[in-house]
Amino acid sequence: GENVEQHPSTLSVQEGDSAVIKCTYSDSASNYFPWYKQELGKGPQLIIDIRSNVGEKKDQRIAVTLNKTAKHFSLHITETQPEDSAVYFCAASSNFGNEKLTFGTGTRLTIIP
Amino acid sequence: EPEVTQTPSHQVTQMGQEVILRCVPISNHLYFYWYRQILGQKVEFLVSFYNNEISEKSEIFDDQFSVERPDGSNFTLKIRSTKLEDSAMYFCATERGQHGYTFGSGTRLTVV
Repeated sequence: GENVEQHPSTLSVQEGDSAVIKCTYSDSASNYFPWYKQELGKGPQLIIDIRSNVGEKKDQRIAVTLNKTAKHFSLHITETQPEDSAVYFCAASSNFGNEKLTFGTGTRLTIIP
Repeated sequence: EPEVTQTPSHQVTQMGQEVILRCVPISNHLYFYWYRQILGQKVEFLVSFYNNEISEKSEIFDDQFSVERPDGSNFTLKIRSTKLEDSAMYFCATERGQHGYTFGSGTRLTVV
């Protein structure tokens, strides 16, 4: 089955700087890669996703890049703000309908004011 | 923004007791899932449900677990005889296909 590795497990960044979180996946059939933000006591919230037919997607301060050949994808957050502090999970799936997500182990991002 | 609603938010139960966790999916969503997150660990897939039957289940989803959609609205996860190791956050998620998941805010299950 699919295996998703995520690094780093913790990341501290000065407010205003950029944060990068990286994930690798094992199953070449995976074609959908969402990123979730989880705040304390809440469920995962989708912040951005990318499908295998594109290499990069951006939404304001958040961007995701995908390298299918190397089987890795990354989350980039620019101009970080204190409210970006949370746990971030990457995930992979071989479909986006009736298909389970395999999650990475999470990154605890702390923005230092 | 439509939400997935889960109840209760927190449940404490004695080992060996049965628990039922409830989820109200977004109304036009077709696919339903339960995931589990043990404290401090990653989110793990338990089961997927489509067209009133299980589509896929993980190794975690053994005979103690069952799911159903009894009244066409609620989607439930039942644990027949809880164990200490069942203590976790349980998340319901639903999707319409090709539009990504929406997760509920979870039920924290504590087995004592």
